[in-house]
Amino acid sequence: EVQLVESGGGLVQPGGSLRLSCAASGFTFTKSGMNWVRQAPGRGLEWISYISDSSSVKYYADSVRGRFTISRDNAKSSLYLQMNSLRDEDTAVYYCAGGGVVVRRLDPWGQGTLVTVSS
Amino acid sequence: DIQMTQSPSSVSASVGDRVTITCRASQGISSWLAWYQQEPGRAPKLLIYAASSLQSGVPSRFSGSGSGTDFTLTISSLQPEDFATYYCQQTNSFPWTFGQGTKVEIK
Repeated sequence: EVQLVESGGGLVQPGGSLRLSCAASGFTFTKSGMNWVRQAPGRGLEWISYISDSSSVKYYADSVRGRFTISRDNAKSSLYLQMNSLRDEDTAVYYCAGGGVVVRRLDPWGQGTLVTVSS
Repeated sequence: DIQMTQSPSSVSASVGDRVTITCRASQGISSWLAWYQQEPGRAPKLLIYAASSLQSGVPSRFSGSGSGTDFTLTISSLQPEDFATYYCQQTNSFPWTFGQGTKVEIK
């Protein structure tokens, strides 16, 4: 079964840091580009970051560039998002999703993990 | 960045109705467009990719069309499980931007 499972979400104060993880199984993770997408409460979807299969290419949305870092460990079939200097507006459900520049679509998706930035 | 604009923002329809959602890109994106369905409290689910290709396992009542800047998602006969929010996304160039979503509600 193809599966992505996120973890690491929680409550953090403004200015704080958090590291999200996404564990992949059931597909060839080492050959798949990966993404992070977030959704603020009651709002739409926002793509925030991409990493290629070899980690050689990374892209970020302007809203997170310089504060968030995407990475992966192919030996562990895991994707990560290091989030620093968190702001209230970063409060959202964070999803990891497979999909690279060859397939050009997001599938599969994880179930999401909630990050709440509040004092 | 490429802006994606969906219309309408919401639509009320009955079971059996034909529903059409449009998505317009601020610049040409060839056929690099995907459609997703999201039910409340659930992760998005891929329906259509490359503008008109049906994802495996998705019912044939869903179809997509278009290229360049104008795209359409059509549900030929609305079923109870189709009441959800639908998003388009361009994957022509980074950042891979989404439309604002279209909520399909029960009439």
